Amino acid sequence: GAGVSQTPSNKVTEKGKYVELRCDPISGHTALYWYRQSLGQGPEFLIYFQGTGAADDSGLPNDRFFAVRPEGSVSTLKIQRTERGDSAVYLCASSLTFFRDRGREDEQFFGPGTRLTVL
Amino acid sequence: KQEVTQIPAALSVPEGENLVLNCSFTDSAIYNLQWFRQDPGKGLTSLLLIQSSQREQTSGRLNASLDKSSGRSTLYIAASQPGDSATYLCAVDSNYGQNFVFGPGTRLSVLP
Repeated sequence: GAGVSQTPSNKVTEKGKYVELRCDPISGHTALYWYRQSLGQGPEFLIYFQGTGAADDSGLPNDRFFAVRPEGSVSTLKIQRTERGDSAVYLCASSLTFFRDRGREDEQFFGPGTRLTVL
Repeated sequence: KQEVTQIPAALSVPEGENLVLNCSFTDSAIYNLQWFRQDPGKGLTSLLLIQSSQREQTSGRLNASLDKSSGRSTLYIAASQPGDSATYLCAVDSNYGQNFVFGPGTRLSVLP
């Protein structure tokens, strides 16, 4: 596609519910990242995928958070038993590669985000 | 643990001024540094990426420099325009995990 897309754009849920957030990366991008951004702060890293595998999930705050990318393209971030503190904008990004020394091939392109509100 | 700070937190300038935004990071062992802009309620737009071996990158009216040894990067915006109003974020990709660590951003307002 032309850019990274995320659905839904807004999600309102009740405390304790389960939610899924979807990310469609740029076609051909092998690396995919999830971030969480609270109001007035920079994005906070959650997890990144290289292909189908989660290469680094050290940013996931606890075991209520899980993400998958079964075919190496679309990714889903899953949050169980949501809490009010989970309210934030969840951002997804993709890059062509993640070799960390390939210059613009590592450049991350972001989607518009999903605003999650837990009541 | 890598920490990224940005100064100032907010900046308001009249149209046409040249300005500098600052980004500092605590661990100089980085792969690259990327500057983004974020408009209210929107995602991030990549502006410039500087590899650790580079000193600067330029794109149009933007110039970003990197001094890895001192843990600093600056984003220079020439001849600012009202359309430049946004939050500017820097992010550092560290050698030792943690992936991209973002600063809190500088909120820029360019007044017509």
